[in-house]
Amino acid sequence: EVQLVESGGGLVQPGGSLRLSCAASESTINRYWIYWVRQAPGKGLVWVSRIGYDGRSTDYADSVKGRFTISRDNGRNTVYLQMNSVRVEDTAVYYCLRGGANYQFDDWGQGTLVTVSS
Amino acid sequence: QSALTQPASVSGSPGQSITISCTGSSNDVASYNFVSWYQQHPGKAPKLVIFGVTNRPSGISNRFSGSKFGNRASLTISGLQADDEADYYCSSYRSGNTPYVFGTGTKVTVL
Repeated sequence: EVQLVESGGGLVQPGGSLRLSCAASESTINRYWIYWVRQAPGKGLVWVSRIGYDGRSTDYADSVKGRFTISRDNGRNTVYLQMNSVRVEDTAVYYCLRGGANYQFDDWGQGTLVTVSS
Repeated sequence: QSALTQPASVSGSPGQSITISCTGSSNDVASYNFVSWYQQHPGKAPKLVIFGVTNRPSGISNRFSGSKFGNRASLTISGLQADDEADYYCSSYRSGNTPYVFGTGTKVTVL
């Protein structure tokens, strides 16, 4: 089991920017796809983005495409989610996940809360 | 990004079995054996309980089992226990622009 710790959440105004970080407990994370999933207060889970082993392959949900950017620094065992032009509807707990061979999400971080409000 | 359909709530008494359904389409559940299930207790991160339709991760009780027929996947919890009271979400790989989709979520209540 890989321990994942998210950070960087907080209060941001609409149109502002925020960068989330996901730090892994070991370098083996560099062999896995890493994902971001979010959960608005009292709502369900929504997939946001993913990044491949070497950072070259990335995908985004339509709702964040063009505004969010996922990246990774394998030397620091860390994955980032740069959030630009944020909207009120981006308010959620953001989870960082390690992916498995059957497209499942094996390990989850504790989540970091992002609140978009004026 | 339409979600997979789950019942809003399911309940059962201790010791009973319950089944949660997850209905998708030909773009996801029906075409891929990449259905997984997650348990989420209040205020906690979700935890994987089933992957690849029928497989249990190490440490997950054999009271949890998964199945699939056509575009519908199911999670069965047998010998229901108080600690099983939680929200449960299914997930599937999906063809198209958005490669992953979650279910709407089911609240399980132990009576």
